[in-house]
Amino acid sequence: DIQMTQSPSTLSASVGDRVTITCRASQNINSWLSWHQQKPGNAPKILISKASTLESGVPARFSGSGSGTEFTLTISSVQPDDFATYYCQQYGSSFITFGGGTKVEIK
Amino acid sequence: QVQLQESGPGLVKPSQTLSLTCTVSGGSISSGSYYWSWIRQPAGKGLEWIGRIYTSGSTNYNPSLKSRVTISVDTSKNQFSLKLSSVTAADTAVYYCARGEVDGSLDYWGQGTLVTVSS
Repeated sequence: DIQMTQSPSTLSASVGDRVTITCRASQNINSWLSWHQQKPGNAPKILISKASTLESGVPARFSGSGSGTEFTLTISSVQPDDFATYYCQQYGSSFITFGGGTKVEIK
Repeated sequence: QVQLQESGPGLVKPSQTLSLTCTVSGGSISSGSYYWSWIRQPAGKGLEWIGRIYTSGSTNYNPSLKSRVTISVDTSKNQFSLKLSSVTAADTAVYYCARGEVDGSLDYWGQGTLVTVSS
């Protein structure tokens, strides 16, 4: 199975900060990676698919990049609504796996 | 707009079988190139993929759960289901159903349902 390693596990930021989250795959997954946002008590919501494709309705301050084994999610200017936990997810194999999550907290 | 809704018992006894159903609305479960997945999340922890079923009926399961998991689909009811046998307290979690596009990611999620394993 493909292991997904996210870093950091927790991140403290102020409103307006630029935030970057990294996700590493244990083997090449090309661009078969998505990012999901989860707020407490809610289901995850997809933000980005195919490593860099912004889903409909997702603010443009979110962006994704990378391919192969190294990926990043960037929030260009974090807003109050963005404080949540973010998960990367690979779908490059028949066995889907998630990263451990990154909690973005208010500094 | 596709919507998914999980249903089933919120309490299951140890060693019994957990059974959940996901009802899909806003579209036919058998149309298009999609797969239908189950994911779970223990309290305060991350997401664990359980498995999926394609509209063709083929399935993939998490190897760590494969011996205990069955996912099936009932196209007449626009539903798919999860059965997890021989449950223990470690299976206590919020269970989510979700849709994915073939060669694509999970794009629609249900709201989740808490299942507690306890006597």
